Amino acid sequence: DAKTTQPNSMESNEEEPVHLPCNHSTISGTDYIHWYRQLPSQGPEYVIHGLTSNVNNRMASLAIAEDRKSSTLILHRATLRDAAVYYCILRDAGWYNNNDMRFGAGTRLTVKP
Amino acid sequence: EAQVTQNPRYLITVTGKKLTVTCSQNMNHEYMSWYRQDPGLGLRQIYYSMNVEVTDKGDVPEGYKVSRKEKRNFPLILESPSPNQTSLYFCASSLGGGGYEQYFGPGTRLTVT
Repeated sequence: DAKTTQPNSMESNEEEPVHLPCNHSTISGTDYIHWYRQLPSQGPEYVIHGLTSNVNNRMASLAIAEDRKSSTLILHRATLRDAAVYYCILRDAGWYNNNDMRFGAGTRLTVKP
Repeated sequence: EAQVTQNPRYLITVTGKKLTVTCSQNMNHEYMSWYRQDPGLGLRQIYYSMNVEVTDKGDVPEGYKVSRKEKRNFPLILESPSPNQTSLYFCASSLGGGGYEQYFGPGTRLTVT
């Protein structure tokens, strides 16, 4: 199964952009790249996902490398509420494939005021 | 409001006493799954279900049972709980395969003494 690699931790200053990297060198052509985050004492929360093209939503942007072997989650202006563990996950597009999501350790983002 | 609900949120029980953790979603999602989260081990999938009456094992199914008799509900059953099943449990659902985001419940903290 395709796996992802993320830095264990990152720090950011409040109101500055944050770029969270993820490597997925063994990604298959049908894998979607998903990002979730988990705030303390809460369940994981969907952030964004994409297949090949860059994606934007109200929470973040997702930049996907041309070869799809890496991606970057971009928080345009970090706030204290963005402090969380961020998970980069691959999920197969196939409807009847095993669609489990394998969570790694994620990146713990600390936001300093 | 679109949501995944779990009950109970907190449970302390004794070894061997059968228990059920309920999970319900109001989004008409086909796919549902259960995860457990343990310190240092991250989130691991227990069971998942592609549709009504279709379930399959995740990475750590031992000691658990599930059923999917109706689309909205996906209960997790511990027939004979043991202390090593003390954990934080999350239920999740999504509309379909990898192109769709997963919605997570708030979690159930289970302690087995």
